[in-house]
Amino acid sequence: KAGVTQTPRYLIKTRGQQVTLSCSPISGHRSVSWYQQTPGQGLQFLFEYFSETQRNKGNFPGRFSGRQFSNSRSEMNVSTLELGDSALYLCASSYGFQAGSGNTIYFGEGSWLTVV
Amino acid sequence: TQLLEQSPQFLSIQEGENLTVYCNSSSVFSSLQWYRQEPGEGPVLLVTVVTGGEVKKLKRLTFQFGDARKDSSLHITAAQPGDTGLYLCAGANYGQNFVFGPGTRLSVLP
Repeated sequence: KAGVTQTPRYLIKTRGQQVTLSCSPISGHRSVSWYQQTPGQGLQFLFEYFSETQRNKGNFPGRFSGRQFSNSRSEMNVSTLELGDSALYLCASSYGFQAGSGNTIYFGEGSWLTVV
Repeated sequence: TQLLEQSPQFLSIQEGENLTVYCNSSSVFSSLQWYRQEPGEGPVLLVTVVTGGEVKKLKRLTFQFGDARKDSSLHITAAQPGDTGLYLCAGANYGQNFVFGPGTRLSVLP
């Protein structure tokens, strides 16, 4: 079955702009999580959505937001972009929510965001 | 707060050598996963271990989950350039989100 699909793969934005990233989970998976990965900080959890509800949120400012649609596809939005937002944004899907038992998460290839 | 540490942080070896990387925590996890990530790509799941003392083999890769479910190791036999990448471990517990280690960056030189 198809894996986790993220779009776009690469994008360049200017400081102050906003960006929307999209993620389509593996068919049948209901949980979508978002991570930010940078060389200095590693993988940092942004938030998780399950059945259109935000289940958990990491320690990021309110400029980072997300949503999930009824077909489990998810989007994340970053407003008022800063240079420090340049990173690889990864989406991961799982059948159940992460905090459930016995779940495995599968990652997409990521969206590379460069803020100039 | 649960934390995972990985060692070594960087490892550069010659093709054909063996290596072991470690994932350690002071916390108990119900399961632990290993991923490999290549530059510019997302992490790819290698294995999930769930039972203390469990050993899983995936071709030249051997994964072990510690008896106390606080640590894990990944051993690669006869490393190849294709094994190059960032190896991440992630711990899971019921009621909590996954916790990721900082990774071990492996470079296998031909």
